[in-house]
Amino acid sequence: KNEVEQSPQNLTAQEGEFITINCSYSVGISALHWLQQHPGGGIVSLFMLSSGKKKHGRLIATINIQEKHSSLHITASHPRDSAVYICAVRGTYKYIFGTGTRLKVLA
Amino acid sequence: NAGVTQTPKFRILKIGQSMTLQCTQDMNHNYMYWYRQDPGMGLKLIYYSVGAGITDKGEVPNGYNVSRSTTEDFPLRLELAAPSQTSVYFCASSYFTDRGYLNTGELFFGEGSRLTVL
Repeated sequence: KNEVEQSPQNLTAQEGEFITINCSYSVGISALHWLQQHPGGGIVSLFMLSSGKKKHGRLIATINIQEKHSSLHITASHPRDSAVYICAVRGTYKYIFGTGTRLKVLA
Repeated sequence: NAGVTQTPKFRILKIGQSMTLQCTQDMNHNYMYWYRQDPGMGLKLIYYSVGAGITDKGEVPNGYNVSRSTTEDFPLRLELAAPSQTSVYFCASSYFTDRGYLNTGELFFGEGSRLTVL
C-alpha cells in the first residue's frame, strides 16, 4: 500500500463545477503539499499546510491531521484548471508523493 | 528571480552513453533534490543534498551520481545510460532551518528534463 493515496485518479468535470480531490496518508508528517502539473510542463506548488485550511483564489486546501486526510477543492472550475494535481507529504526534509489526480475540465 | 533552472529540456541517448543534467537555483536554498517521474508513478527521489559538499542517496540512486560544489548547482550524472533510465527528471529545491520557521519547506521545481534512452 502506498504511503500517500489520492482519489480519484482521473476526473472529468464540466466548466463551473465544484471539484474535490482527496489525499490520504499513512505516515507522520510535518506538512502536506498540493502541487499542480500542466501537461508537458513543470510542477508548481499550490499549497503547503500543516493544519486547518488555506485559500488562494478559487482553490481551497484543507487538512485533518487526526484523520490523516487532506482535500483540494476547486470552485467554479475552468478549462485552464485542467492539469495533474499531486499531493505530497513531508516528514523532516524528505517528500513522499502521490501518483496524482488527472483533472480535465470541459468547456 | 529565475527560480530552479534545468537543462536540457529534452535529450535522446544511446545505450551506454553518459550525460549530465544541469540544475541551478538562485534562491539560496540549502536543500536540493533530483526526482524521476515515470508514468503512473509518484515522483521518486534519486539523490538529495542538504548543503554544499553534502549529498546522499534517495530511493532509486543506482546508475546516477551527483555533486554539490556550490549552493546553487546540483548536477545529476547518468553513467552508462540504460533504457530503464528513460524518464522525466525534475530538480527541486527547498529551504529548511532548524529554527522551525513555518514558511520553510516549500518545494520549487525546475521545468523537467525528458530523457529517452534507445
